[in-house]
Amino acid sequence: AQKVTQAQTEISVVEKEDVTLDCVYETRDTTYYLFWYKQPPSGELVFLIRRNSFDEQNEISGRYSWNFQKSTSSFNFTITASQVVDSAVYFCAPGGSTLGRLYFGRGTQLTVWP
Amino acid sequence: DTAVSQTPKYLVTQMGNDKSIKCEQNLGHDTMYWYKQDSKKFLKIMFSYNNKELIINETVPNRFSPKSPDKAHLNLHINSLELGDSAVYFCASSSRPGQASNGAFFGQGTRLTVV
Repeated sequence: AQKVTQAQTEISVVEKEDVTLDCVYETRDTTYYLFWYKQPPSGELVFLIRRNSFDEQNEISGRYSWNFQKSTSSFNFTITASQVVDSAVYFCAPGGSTLGRLYFGRGTQLTVWP
Repeated sequence: DTAVSQTPKYLVTQMGNDKSIKCEQNLGHDTMYWYKQDSKKFLKIMFSYNNKELIINETVPNRFSPKSPDKAHLNLHINSLELGDSAVYFCASSSRPGQASNGAFFGQGTRLTVV
């Protein structure tokens, strides 16, 4: 089984601030995958990114960036110049290479104020 | 076109009733899942089917019975509904169990309220 900890339950920022969402995971798998999902107030789950455990290269996609550090089992997510539309619950989810299930963290509620 | 679609989106029913939630995916995926999200937003897997075969069955009351008539559909039937069943239920699909790298695509969720 895998375990994920999102220590930040709620974060509030003012628009244009940068914000980092933390994710620490535990796994016994040698090969695994890490995901981030966004759940806006409308309720749907939106896939943001996938990262393979053997690829520690950080990734930037527009205002989003991800920092994966295998040595500390962390996969943090940064939003640069946050916007009100970024307000949502963000979930980190490791997944094993078998069965395909995802193990979700408790989520971080991000509120961006205008 | 919606990739993973669930119906209904909202379901309000009385305790003791039996209800079903339907899920269909048009992505050509082999694997489908049901996840439950409780009132505290915690998401946990319930079931997974691969090509109509059950491959994951978490500790879920046997009042919950998934049914997969084909690999594009995975329905969830719940008997004798209880207040504690109130939650949002998400259907999801992915390409193959061993291809978790592709992630899972989720439906819009079904908010079940038992009164």
